Formats: sequence, C-alpha cells, structure tokens
Amino acid sequence: KAGVTQTPRYLIKTRGQQVTLSCSPISGHRSVSWYQQTPGQGLQFLFEYFSETQRNKGNFPGRFSGRQFSNSRSEMNVSTLELGDSALYLCASSGTNYGYTFGSGTRLTVV
Amino acid sequence: SQQGEEDPQALSIQEGENATMNCSYKTSINNLQWYRQNSGRGLVHLILIRSNEREKHSGRLRVTLDTSKKSSSLLITASRAADTASYFCATDAVNRDDKIIFGKGTRLHILP
Repeated sequence: KAGVTQTPRYLIKTRGQQVTLSCSPISGHRSVSWYQQTPGQGLQFLFEYFSETQRNKGNFPGRFSGRQFSNSRSEMNVSTLELGDSALYLCASSGTNYGYTFGSGTRLTVV
Repeated sequence: SQQGEEDPQALSIQEGENATMNCSYKTSINNLQWYRQNSGRGLVHLILIRSNEREKHSGRLRVTLDTSKKSSSLLITASRAADTASYFCATDAVNRDDKIIFGKGTRLHILP
C-alpha cells in the first residue's frame, strides 16, 4: 500500500509569510503526527491528530497550527514565518499497532 | 525536553564490524522503538520492544531493554555501507497521552 505522502518536498519562503504543508497518511491510518527536525534541537513534537481532533500538542508557539480532514489527510500551517522555522517537517501516521510510518518530509527554508 | 538520549552521538566503524548504540530515558515507558534516518529523509521504523520484553531480534538487529536502568541498546551485526544513517530511539511514557518522544540520535558511519 502507498506510504505517507508529504507535499511539497521543498519550500522557500520569506520571513513574515505563511506556509501550509500537507500530509496524506497510509490508507486506514487515523492518527497523524507532525515533527520539526533541526540540527540543534533534533526531532521536536508539534502535534498529533486523530479522527479530525487534535489529541496532543507540543511546546510550539500559536503560529504553528494544524488540522485533519475526514479522510485523515492533515495540514499544518505556520504563520508569520521566522528564520528559525527553517527545518525539515516530518509527518507520521500510525494505525492500531504501535510504530510510526514517516513521510519523506518537507524541507522549509525561510530567507 | 528529550525523553530519550542516544549514546554515542556519532560512531564510525569498519564494514563488517558490529555497531552498538545506546539509549537512556527518564520516565517509565510502555514501549521503546528504534528508527533509522538516511540523510535528511523520513524515519524508518526498525523495531519495537515492549516494557515487559528484555530482548528482541530482527534480521541483523538486536535490541535489549533494561527498564531498571531505563536504557536500551541497538546492536547491528555485520555492518554494511547501507547501514550508514542516523539512528533514533523513541519512547512513549506511561502517561504519554499518545505522544512519542525522540532522542537526538546516533550518527553511524560505516567505513569501506
């Protein structure tokens, strides 16, 4: 079955702009989690959605938001971009068993 | 804050040798997982070990878990060039709220 699909793969934005990233989980997976990965901080948990409800949220400012649709696809949005938001954003889906399946990520560069 | 901490941060070994990475964590867990990441791509799930298990094997991978010491180790036997990657441990705490926390990873480099 198809894996987790993240779009776009690469993105360059200017400070102050906003950005929306998309994640399509594995068919049948209802849980989608988002992580930010930077060289200095490693993998930081952003939030998790399950059946369109945010189930958990990490310690990120309100500029970071997300949502999940009825087909389990998820989007995350970052408003008023800052240079420090440059990172690899990873989406992971999980089903009834433990263990995440990750997408290839979206590389966001803020200039 | 990180729940899991991998050790060493970086490791270089000759092809064919065994590689051992360690992970320590802070709170009681339900399970511990190991993931591999190749050069800035997504993470690949390698193996999951539950808190009531002590050892688990998968191909050339062997994972141990010592809940009394709050530590785990990942052993890769007969390493290959393709094993060059970063390896992360991930834990979900007993009060996890379904949140899995990753360590900062061990960068493994297999020398030809």
